[in-house]
Amino acid sequence: GAGVSQSPSNKVTEKGKDVELRCDPISGHTALYWYRQSLGQGLEFLIYFQGNSAPDKSGLPSDRFSAERTGGSVSTLTIQRTQQEDSAVYLCASSLDRDGYTFGSGTRLTVV
Amino acid sequence: AQSVTQLGSHVSVSEGALVLLRCNYSSSVPPYLFWYVQYPNQGLQLLLKYTTGATLVKGINGFEAEFKKSETSFHLTKPSAHMSDAAEYFCAVTRGFQKLVFGTGTRLLVSP
Repeated sequence: GAGVSQSPSNKVTEKGKDVELRCDPISGHTALYWYRQSLGQGLEFLIYFQGNSAPDKSGLPSDRFSAERTGGSVSTLTIQRTQQEDSAVYLCASSLDRDGYTFGSGTRLTVV
Repeated sequence: AQSVTQLGSHVSVSEGALVLLRCNYSSSVPPYLFWYVQYPNQGLQLLLKYTTGATLVKGINGFEAEFKKSETSFHLTKPSAHMSDAAEYFCAVTRGFQKLVFGTGTRLLVSP
């Protein structure tokens, strides 16, 4: 596609529920990243996929967070048993070599 | 480990005045450096990047930045501010196009 597509754009969920956030990267981009942006925390790295290599999960804040990337393309970020502190904007980006990182518009998650 | 420091969480300028947003980085290896802009309720848009070569980098919307290794800086400038430049600006660093590490951001306010 022309850009990085994220869905849904907004998600309101009840505390304790599981949520899935989707990212469609730019076609052909080998790397995919998830970031979280929340007030007072800035842009926080969550996880990074590069080709067929094992993902860099060093930024995941707890074991309630997981992500997968199927077929080297679409990625899903799953948050289990959501908490109010999970409320944030979740941004996805993709890249190919030195072209730079292209970000999607994000999913705004609100946990009530 | 890499890190980025952006001096000033808020910068205020008058329309037509010089814009200077400061960014200092820490990296044990030659860094790749980026500036992104974020308008309200939108994703991150790439302004410019430094990878190799010319240390003065020109970006979109009249912005430019200069990589100064001796000062470990990558300050963003624009000769004349426009009202439409009001946004949040993020400096970021990476090594080898792995995860981007962001600064905490600087909100640019432009007054008439």
